[in-house]
Amino acid sequence: GAGVSQSPSNKVTEKGKDVELRCDPISGHTALYWYRQSLGQGLEFLIYFQGNSAPDKSGLPSDRFSAERTGGSVSTLTIQRTQQEDSAVYLCASSLGLAGYHEQYFGPGTRLTVT
Amino acid sequence: QKEVEQNSGPLSVPEGAIASLNCTYSDRGSQSFFWYRQYSGKSPELIMFIYSNGDKEDGRFTAQLNKASQYVSLLIRDSQPSDSATYLCADSYGNKLVFGAGTILRVKS
Repeated sequence: GAGVSQSPSNKVTEKGKDVELRCDPISGHTALYWYRQSLGQGLEFLIYFQGNSAPDKSGLPSDRFSAERTGGSVSTLTIQRTQQEDSAVYLCASSLGLAGYHEQYFGPGTRLTVT
Repeated sequence: QKEVEQNSGPLSVPEGAIASLNCTYSDRGSQSFFWYRQYSGKSPELIMFIYSNGDKEDGRFTAQLNKASQYVSLLIRDSQPSDSATYLCADSYGNKLVFGAGTILRVKS
């Protein structure tokens, strides 16, 4: 079946602009995760959704970052007033349920470059 | 705060050999662990999921979990050049995964 999809695959934006990144999880997966991977760095957790609710937003770096999920499916990560340090690959993952008991499958990622 | 430690490598092995990748974790109460493979410029790909002490085998891959010593390892038998990638170990924490920085594996033909 179809895997996790993300769009756009690449995004170049000017400092100070807002960007929206989209994630479409595997059908039937109730849990959805956003991670960030900076060049040469490990994966950094940003936010988690169970259905449309976000019980854990602990990883969002600042209030410029927000995310929502609608219909228990598609999620959008929004970064306002982008800064150069926001440049990274943003990865979305989905799973059937709780992270500790179900495998997470990653999408191809969105490479964000802030100039 | 949970921590997952991996040797960054690179670990170099000849084609056909066994590659052994190791990961240690800080939380004695951790229950489940994941191994992902990540090719350069690509997203992580799930290889194995283990939550019981002992070994779990899937094809050429064997994951080993030792909760008493707080380490988890991944063995790759009959290593191939196509196995060259970064291998990420992850511990579950609530509803998220905590990843190690990854070990670079190079399989030389």
